Amino acid sequence: QKEVEQNSGPLSVPEGAIASLNCTYSDRGSQSFFWYRQYSGKSPELIMSIYSNGDKEDGRFTAQLNKASQYVSLLIRDSQPSDSATYLCAVTSNYGGSQGNLIFGKGTKLSVKP
Amino acid sequence: ETGVTQTPRHLVMGMTNKKSLKCEQHLGHNAMYWYKQSAKKPLELMFVYSLEERVENNSVPSRFSPECPNSSHLFLHLHTLQPEDSALYLCASSPYRAHNEQFFGPGTRLTVL
Repeated sequence: QKEVEQNSGPLSVPEGAIASLNCTYSDRGSQSFFWYRQYSGKSPELIMSIYSNGDKEDGRFTAQLNKASQYVSLLIRDSQPSDSATYLCAVTSNYGGSQGNLIFGKGTKLSVKP
Repeated sequence: ETGVTQTPRHLVMGMTNKKSLKCEQHLGHNAMYWYKQSAKKPLELMFVYSLEERVENNSVPSRFSPECPNSSHLFLHLHTLQPEDSALYLCASSPYRAHNEQFFGPGTRLTVL
């Protein structure tokens, strides 16, 4: 069973700080990686996608991918209370009949304190 | 309407009822998905449709029956559910099966009594 692991948190950071969210995955053949944000009672919202090693920046968000270490992270700079949510890491499966499916982690709950 | 819509948003049903969940996407996508989200568990993929053809049935019990009449609409027919089926049911779509940026609808919160 291919897996995606995330620390469930809660991760608490003060307003204005950098929040660092981490994710590891077991399928070495995975090619696409995504971060979703899910507010309480709402559905997941795609915020970042990354496909190659290195960093990808979009506004206050930076996704980092290291395929050799099977590790993907999300940095949120200048964290705001509105960033408080659960962040889901998703990875494509490269495994048999499930190829192309997204495998989700359980999510990390982030709390940004004013 | 834009994006992915789902109805109803909330549903309470008894174990002997039959109900259907509806999903509609206005993004021009060709792949649609049903997921189940339960507390403390990761999102579970239930079904995948690509160009109106079911390409994945992830060992889901037969009391859940999907239907995809066209590339914009997806249904999940429910019958004789169990209390453990209570969860948030999410519909998602993506441009193609292999294009994995999936966009989710708001979900249907299902409670089985």
